[in-house]
Amino acid sequence: AQSVTQLGSHVSVSEGALVLLRCNYSSSVPPYLFWYVQYPNQGLQLLLKYTSAATLVKGINGFEAEFKKSETSFHLTKPSAHMSDAAEYFCAVTPGGNRDDKIIFGKGTRLHILP
Amino acid sequence: DAGVIQSPRHEVTEMGQEVTLRCKPISGHNSLFWYRQTMMRGLELLIYFNNNVPIDDSGMPEDRFSAKMPNASFSTLKIQPSEPRDSAVYFCASTKSSGSYEQYFGPGTRLTVT
Repeated sequence: AQSVTQLGSHVSVSEGALVLLRCNYSSSVPPYLFWYVQYPNQGLQLLLKYTSAATLVKGINGFEAEFKKSETSFHLTKPSAHMSDAAEYFCAVTPGGNRDDKIIFGKGTRLHILP
Repeated sequence: DAGVIQSPRHEVTEMGQEVTLRCKPISGHNSLFWYRQTMMRGLELLIYFNNNVPIDDSGMPEDRFSAKMPNASFSTLKIQPSEPRDSAVYFCASTKSSGSYEQYFGPGTRLTVT
C-alpha cells in the first residue's frame, strides 16, 4: 500500500537559511507526489506536484522538490526561508494510472522560522 | 472562479445535538472528499464521492456520521448525536477526475462540541 513518512513533526530554521523538509514514500507503482502547505486557520493548498515528468519540480513561493527513485524520497527545499513560510507542510502520494482519486497524506511538518 | 465553499465556518454545539456541515465543490469537479483534522490524529480522510456516489467511506468513525451528495454541487456531512470528541476542523476538498489528483481544499469548518 502507498504511504508517506515525513521526518520531523517540527522543524525550525532561521530567516534566510535553507529550508529542508523530508518526505519518503512507499509505492508499488510509479507514484504521483505532492507537497501541500497549510497556513494557520486555512485549508491546504498545493505547493507543487511530481507526475513522472522532470524529477526536479518547482512550485510556488520559491519551493522546489526533487524526486529520487533510488532513495524513495521527495524532499522539499527552499534556499532562503522567509517569515511568511511559517506553516504546516504535508507530503502526499497517490499511484498513477487509472486508480481512484484518493491521495494519502503524511502527518505533516510544522515549519517555524526564527528571526 | 470560486473555490470550494464550506459552511458554516464555525459551529459550537452541545453534546447530543445534530450537526450538519455543508460543502459546495468547484464547478466541474466530480470527486469530493471530506477530511477531519485534529492535533492528535492529524488529517484523516472520512469519505469520498465520485460522480455523487460514495466510493470509500472506510474512514467514517462510526454510525453517528453520515454523508450525502445529492447532486454535483452540494454535499453534507452530518453528525448525530454529536460528542465532545468530534471537535475538530472538517475540510471538504474536490478534484476533477482527469488523473491529475490535485485536490482543492475549502477553508474548513471548526466544530466545537461542548
